[in-house]
Amino acid sequence: GAGVSQSPSNKVTEKGKDVELRCDPISGHTALYWYRQSLGQGLEFLIYFQGNSAPDKSGLPSDRFSAERTGGSVSTLTIQRTQQEDSAVYLCASSEQTTGELFFGEGSRLTVL
Amino acid sequence: QQQVKQSPQSLIVQKGGISIINCAYENTAFDYFPWYQQFPGKGPALLIAIRPDVSEKKEGRFTISFNKSAKQFSLHIMDSQPGDSATYFCAASMLSQGGKLIFGQGTELSVKP
Repeated sequence: GAGVSQSPSNKVTEKGKDVELRCDPISGHTALYWYRQSLGQGLEFLIYFQGNSAPDKSGLPSDRFSAERTGGSVSTLTIQRTQQEDSAVYLCASSEQTTGELFFGEGSRLTVL
Repeated sequence: QQQVKQSPQSLIVQKGGISIINCAYENTAFDYFPWYQQFPGKGPALLIAIRPDVSEKKEGRFTISFNKSAKQFSLHIMDSQPGDSATYFCAASMLSQGGKLIFGQGTELSVKP
């Protein structure tokens, strides 16, 4: 498909375990974003990649969260030592550099028991 | 400075009525104001957007009204339909700084038949 692809769609893990969430953006999109959506809440910005520039990590809530983007395409969001408050839907989006329109994936729902 | 405040949190409208959702922002450097629509289990999708050099933009039944001096903007849905039932998010960004979107908290709209 031509849209943003995220995996896994659902992940259940135990408190203290590490998890990795994957995002495959739309081909040719230079910008990639991660957002977090908790139940009944808005979209909380986490991190933003633009081309070869240093990522904007200003939204990462703690040092347990990290993300990388390899080859300007696929991105992985890693949460170490998961806590129950990390339970949320993690949304990835990509965009062309100048349009401002973000195209979102369907998200990865993380449940920490 | 970076917040976008959205109201109401939820809204119930009769079919054929007008739905109005409001947003306010603080940062005068914002230069792009989109509205996103999200259905359950899906990622948000761009509905309509406006730049601050115009006061109104209309696309079909959806209209954005923008008041630069008041730092407010609103979404009007005319002739609301049950298929419009979804969560709506306003957002703001500085396109000159890469287009990272700051989202409001969302409004859950229910259109009753």
